[in-house]
Amino acid sequence: GQQVQQSPTSLVLQEGENAELQCNFSTSLNSMQWFYQRPGGSLISVFYNPSGTKQSGRLTSTTVIKERRSSLHISSSQITDSGTYLCAISTQVVGQLTFGRGTRLQVYA
Amino acid sequence: GALVYQYPRRTICKSGTSMRMECQAVGFQATSVAWYRQSPQKTFELIALSTVNSAIKYEQNFTQEKFPISHPNLSFSSMTVLNAYLEDRGLYLCGASHQDTQYFGPGTRLLVL
Repeated sequence: GQQVQQSPTSLVLQEGENAELQCNFSTSLNSMQWFYQRPGGSLISVFYNPSGTKQSGRLTSTTVIKERRSSLHISSSQITDSGTYLCAISTQVVGQLTFGRGTRLQVYA
Repeated sequence: GALVYQYPRRTICKSGTSMRMECQAVGFQATSVAWYRQSPQKTFELIALSTVNSAIKYEQNFTQEKFPISHPNLSFSSMTVLNAYLEDRGLYLCGASHQDTQYFGPGTRLLVL
């Protein structure tokens, strides 16, 4: 089965609303990352967060290893936040990531 | 800072021909390089992982005969898509690792006609 599952598949929000993206994984992990994929395809690392809570501006990531889940919270969403958010985990092999299918976020005015 | 370049950014090839793509790590030495592919409407799949002083490990559904990889030093890797067909189209991403952090290039988008 799929090791990394993301939900929701897609999310449509009005500007200013908050977004909550979930990532569940079925295996123990060494690390987990959240990525933002630009419309052109390139990836930007948003958070490297193997455990605990991290915050950067309007973005907050919380990873609970015991519960095998991680979340990405976007507060006061903006149109420029639109795009696909991917979570990826690394198990035992350094440099090998397994990606979820992503959540496509669309923010409108 | 650490950067990863990929070349070319976009390419078109005829069905049955081959296409080589490159990955260059700048500002750090990559102890491993992973190649991923994102097919249309899908997530990224790991093709192979190349680690210094180890054999290149290919994932299921990907073979050296189809995707030969060269990793001659700690800053450069290349991969060729041999006999490319429609199912090979997509975005090919290179991830170079250094001390548990993986840096990604912008990708090579392959279109097969």
